[in-house]
Amino acid sequence: AAGVIQSPRHLIKEKRETATLKCYPIPRHDTVYWYQQGPGQDPQFLISFYEKMQSDKGSIPDRFSAQQFSDYHSELNMSSLELGDSALYFCASSERGAGETQYFGPGTRLLVL
Amino acid sequence: GEDVEQSLFLSVREGDSSVINCTYTDSSSTYLYWYKQEPGAGLQLLTYIFSNMDMKQDQRLTVLLNKKDKHLSLRIADTQTGDSAIYFCAESTAYALNFGKGTSLLVTP
Repeated sequence: AAGVIQSPRHLIKEKRETATLKCYPIPRHDTVYWYQQGPGQDPQFLISFYEKMQSDKGSIPDRFSAQQFSDYHSELNMSSLELGDSALYFCASSERGAGETQYFGPGTRLLVL
Repeated sequence: GEDVEQSLFLSVREGDSSVINCTYTDSSSTYLYWYKQEPGAGLQLLTYIFSNMDMKQDQRLTVLLNKKDKHLSLRIADTQTGDSAIYFCAESTAYALNFGKGTSLLVTP
């Protein structure tokens, strides 16, 4: 079965640079979520989109923005990167009205130097 | 906000049963989930339970839910070394998943 695809899988950036993470949800899933998992931490919700509109916002810094496109893929844009942004970034997708179980992608590991 | 609580570590011998416990916070959670994360890997959905159930069995996995006490447990029968991982319980809130800190399960031969 198709899973959530994230790219890139690994990313190394320097402080104050920008990064763009991409997420391709499972086909027919209309909702995309972004989570951040710091080292040794549990995943923290950042933001979600339903049918290409922002649905909810969690602990997403103002330096980050995201959007969902017409093909339902989503991008997380991160600017003015800080050392503390080094983390594993997960995208998850779900189908509203079908249990809304979230299926996670493999994550993008971002390292900020 | 309130935390979903789990014990941090559990060590069992291969072939024994493992029981991982979780206390959640949101009594209105519709679903409660168990995810598995191996080192450096993503979050794998193991199983979930609907809030109006008190038990769900799926092969070696048994989930028990006590809604009154907001207590969730995951039992893994005949634990294998490949089960060594971090197990996260998660409650569904109005807009996202709220995870516990994870329980590191170590299975020794």
